[in-house]
Amino acid sequence: DIQMTQSPPSLSASLGDKVTITCQASQNINKYIAWYQQKPGKAPRQLIRYTSTLVSGTPSRFSGSGSGRDYSFSISNVESEDIASYYCLQYDNLPRTFGGGTKLELK
Amino acid sequence: EVQLVESGGSLVQPGGSLKLSCVASGYTFSNYWMDWVRQTPGKSLEWIGEINTDGSKTNYAPSIKDRFTISRDNAKSTLYLQMSNVKSDDTAIYYCTRFYSGFDYWGQGVMVTVSS
Repeated sequence: DIQMTQSPPSLSASLGDKVTITCQASQNINKYIAWYQQKPGKAPRQLIRYTSTLVSGTPSRFSGSGSGRDYSFSISNVESEDIASYYCLQYDNLPRTFGGGTKLELK
Repeated sequence: EVQLVESGGSLVQPGGSLKLSCVASGYTFSNYWMDWVRQTPGKSLEWIGEINTDGSKTNYAPSIKDRFTISRDNAKSTLYLQMSNVKSDDTAIYYCTRFYSGFDYWGQGVMVTVSS
């Protein structure tokens, strides 16, 4: 199985900050990574697919990059509505595997 | 608008069985692979398994293989998860998802609690 090591587990930011979350795969995942936002009591929502493609409706302050084993997800100009947990997903191989999550909080 | 609506979650005793359903609408159900994903309380997300478009092929996570069965009825636009010999570790919220470059749409989730 491909392990997805996501960091940091939690993040404290002020409104307007830029934050970055990373996911490192245990092997090359050929850019097949997606990023999800989850708010309490809600299902995850896909924000980015195939490393850097924004899903329709995702604000442009969200971005993704990476290749090989190393990937990152950023939010520039954090807004209050961005307070949530974020997860990466590799879908290059079976079983599909998620990162452990990052909880974004307001400082 | 794509919608996935799960049902069937409940309290079940260890060793028991349960069947979850997911009704899809807003798109051509038979054109997409479908997956089940679960989330244990306070923890991360775990992929359970997938089914291809015509229901002829399934793949499962090692942790649940041979206990859970995924099936679909394209005429009813419905996805199923048959759970058997459930364990306390199966307590989780279960999500039905559509697969398209990752899981692009999710249901609202249903809670399954395994307890005596």
